[in-house]
Amino acid sequence: GDSVTQMEGPVTLSEEAFLTINCTYTATGYPSLFWYVQYPGEGLQLLLKATKADDKGSNKGFEATYRKETTSFHLEKGSVQVSDSAVYFCALIEQAGTALIFGKGTTLSVSS
Amino acid sequence: DAGVIQSPRHEVTEMGQEVTLRCKPISGHNSLFWYRQTMMRGLELLIYFNNNVPIDDSGMPEDRFSAKMPNASFSTLKIQPSEPRDSAVYFCASKLNRAWFFGPGTRLTVL
Repeated sequence: GDSVTQMEGPVTLSEEAFLTINCTYTATGYPSLFWYVQYPGEGLQLLLKATKADDKGSNKGFEATYRKETTSFHLEKGSVQVSDSAVYFCALIEQAGTALIFGKGTTLSVSS
Repeated sequence: DAGVIQSPRHEVTEMGQEVTLRCKPISGHNSLFWYRQTMMRGLELLIYFNNNVPIDDSGMPEDRFSAKMPNASFSTLKIQPSEPRDSAVYFCASKLNRAWFFGPGTRLTVL
């Protein structure tokens, strides 16, 4: 079945460091891909998405590119801030699907 | 709109007790999802409804779990009897077209 694998955390960075969180997926068709963020004590919020190969999703300085050839959707940010500390989830949904399928989440901790 | 509303936000109960979690989706959204979040397994889909009808409950772990959606503005997830391994954060989400909105979650602790 469809699945999402993302790098184990926690990821600990200093402010202004470069961030990469790896995400790869397995799907039978051509899914849409998402990154969600969960701040402490809150629900999940959509961070960015991409719906077809080579699309780049971006928001709040975060970017991810849909790479069909490597079945990947890695999240990057050039300069993280303390306020970026959160849990990040990679997710997919098939074209004809209804429910999001999530990775296990990666905890990011940024210190000043 | 207030977003997806879940209650209670925190629940502590003893093993064997019945637990009911509640969700109010965003008005006008026609799909509702229950997810469970644990450290070991991440976010798992338990069940989802479309137009108040349960479509896929294959993620419900066992018969102790049941979910209902009596109308478009309310859903419950019930665990009876509860067990310590049910301790987790339970999220409700509602969807319209291809946009999902998650509630803040209910943190359940079963002692």
